[in-house]
Amino acid sequence: NAGVMQNPRHLVRRRGQEARLRCSPMKGHSHVYWYRQLPEEGLKFMVYLQKENIIDESGMPKERFSAEFPKEGPSILRIQQVVRGDSAAYFCASSPPIPKETQYFGPGTRLLVL
Amino acid sequence: GESVGLHLPTLSVQEGDNSIINCAYSNSASDYFIWYKQESGKGPQFIIDIRSNMDKRQGQRVTVLLNKTVKHLSLQIAATQPGDSAVYFCAEATSGGSNYKLTFGKGTLLTVNP
Repeated sequence: NAGVMQNPRHLVRRRGQEARLRCSPMKGHSHVYWYRQLPEEGLKFMVYLQKENIIDESGMPKERFSAEFPKEGPSILRIQQVVRGDSAAYFCASSPPIPKETQYFGPGTRLLVL
Repeated sequence: GESVGLHLPTLSVQEGDNSIINCAYSNSASDYFIWYKQESGKGPQFIIDIRSNMDKRQGQRVTVLLNKTVKHLSLQIAATQPGDSAVYFCAEATSGGSNYKLTFGKGTLLTVNP
């Protein structure tokens, strides 16, 4: 009965490189959410996806960030040309269709940009 | 700005005492509230939730109280244990169009002294 899985747990990138963060939702969950957490702050909503659809990406930076949740496989959060300000913990959450609000979080990916 | 905030950023209690963590919210349209616990290096762990048609809900050793009149939420932990030491976040959501978009406060650090 695995929970939300994320990998890698830690990721180090140099400025200008690409970062790919993966999230596998809990079994039976079809809704995925990505949040970003800066040190000593709360989580900030980034994007909400269902299979093959982006429902709301209002929290995503306009450039360099993208997310997908393909029909098969994990959800991917992609950050192109990373900058030091992208260093943060990125959390994925998933929920069943009903009730949609109950979100269960993964362990996070800690991205460090050198 | 943040619509969810916490009165106390840190709370230190003795083992066996009861703990109360408070949270204020400003969005009167919010009708779903969740408390999460986050241990160092881990993702947020769901503790308990409450909907706006209730003013109290109890779980195992935890109770959440909701006062819609003053837009206040609290988490009570009975017989606090060292394993309860963590950062506690309240989060809110609004049913309807944006019911998936959790808004988090900055968190309260609970330290339990043995």
